Amino acid sequence: GENVEQHPSTLSVQEGDSAVIKCTYSDSASNYFPWYKQELGKGPQLIIDIRSNVGEKKDQRIAVTLNKTAKHFSLHITETQPEDSAVYFCAASKNYGQNFVFGPGTRLSVLP
Amino acid sequence: SAVISQKPSRDICQRGTSLTIQCQVDSQVTMMFWYRQQPGQSLTLIATANQGSEATYESGFVIDKFPISRPNLTFSTLTVSNMSPEDSSIYLCSVEGYKGTDTQYFGPGTRLTVL
Repeated sequence: GENVEQHPSTLSVQEGDSAVIKCTYSDSASNYFPWYKQELGKGPQLIIDIRSNVGEKKDQRIAVTLNKTAKHFSLHITETQPEDSAVYFCAASKNYGQNFVFGPGTRLSVLP
Repeated sequence: SAVISQKPSRDICQRGTSLTIQCQVDSQVTMMFWYRQQPGQSLTLIATANQGSEATYESGFVIDKFPISRPNLTFSTLTVSNMSPEDSSIYLCSVEGYKGTDTQYFGPGTRLTVL
């Protein structure tokens, strides 16, 4: 079955710097890759997603890149702010929204 | 995005008892799922709640322990039966097919502590 790895497990950056989180997946049939942000005491919130027919997607300070050949995708956050501090989860799916396999998560801390 | 509520938001229960968690979404959805998230860990899918039929369980989860209902397209319940301290976790419902999208949205979660 699908296996999703995520690195780093923790990441600390200074406010204003960029943060990059990388995920790798094992199943080449996976075609949908969402990223979720989970703040303490809350459910995961979708922040951006990418499908296998696209190499890059951007939404303001957040971008995701996908390398299908290497089977990895990355989350890029620019101009980080303290409110970006949270746990971020990547996921991979073969059926556009079903049968998600989640990565283990990255705890991002943005230091003021 | 979908507006999803879960009740209760948290509970403390005694060993051997059962707790039913409710999930309500503000518009009809195609799919509803239940996840477990142990402290500091990632999300593990328990089952897919099927409207009008039995839920589909993932490996390691059984209906006797986690009975699920989905009477309509906006509501589902998950029961954690005969609880033990190992069931202490956050339980999350999620939905897919909200207003025609194929994105999966999550509820706020139910934090369960079993003593």
